[in-house]
Amino acid sequence: NAGVTQTPKFQVLKTGQSMTLQCAQDMNHEYMSWYRQDPGMGLRLIHYSVGAGITDQGEVPNGYNVSRSTTEDFPLRLLSAAPSQTSVYFCASSASGPRNEQFFGPGTRLTVL
Amino acid sequence: GDSVTQMEGPVTLSEEAFLTINCTYTATGYPSLFWYVQYPGEGLQLLLKATKADDKGSNKGFEATYRKETTSFHLEKGSVQVSDSAVYFCALHAGNMLTFGGGTRLMVKP
Repeated sequence: NAGVTQTPKFQVLKTGQSMTLQCAQDMNHEYMSWYRQDPGMGLRLIHYSVGAGITDQGEVPNGYNVSRSTTEDFPLRLLSAAPSQTSVYFCASSASGPRNEQFFGPGTRLTVL
Repeated sequence: GDSVTQMEGPVTLSEEAFLTINCTYTATGYPSLFWYVQYPGEGLQLLLKATKADDKGSNKGFEATYRKETTSFHLEKGSVQVSDSAVYFCALHAGNMLTFGGGTRLMVKP
């Protein structure tokens, strides 16, 4: 099993550009989530999904969109990148929600100039 | 809303020293509590968890006890190793969300 995979590993964008961060898991997990990690602030939840076709907002959803058309994939879209979105982004998945162990991807380091 | 507060780091220890990383939380109800660890350049991994008051989670020599009366879940290890150098995150689960503390960096010197 590959576990949770994320692409790309690094990305530099200019303000106003859009892009999609990819996340995939091969463990047949229903629950998937996106976090951003900023120094001293831990991880903050952006969006999550409890199954295909179902998504909901987390703590910091503004400026981000998600969709969940399959169990395996959960892409995160930045519509118009801003310097405040410079961060490390982690995707995670778990069986039946965050009360179970969450498996994290290796992260995407995004810089917005 | 729910929140988790951890001691700020970095915490620097010599090998074989005793480790305590403090964690307190604010939540309604009775959340499950977790410690996750992040090694350099990697994503987070679950270290241990506890699901109800007075439960003790343990793994790899680390322990933490769910204390409802003090709303705490402090992480301890009796003898740290250089390989324990990492960032440690306390987290609580409520509803469909996991709420993390700010993280504590541990540096262990040989």
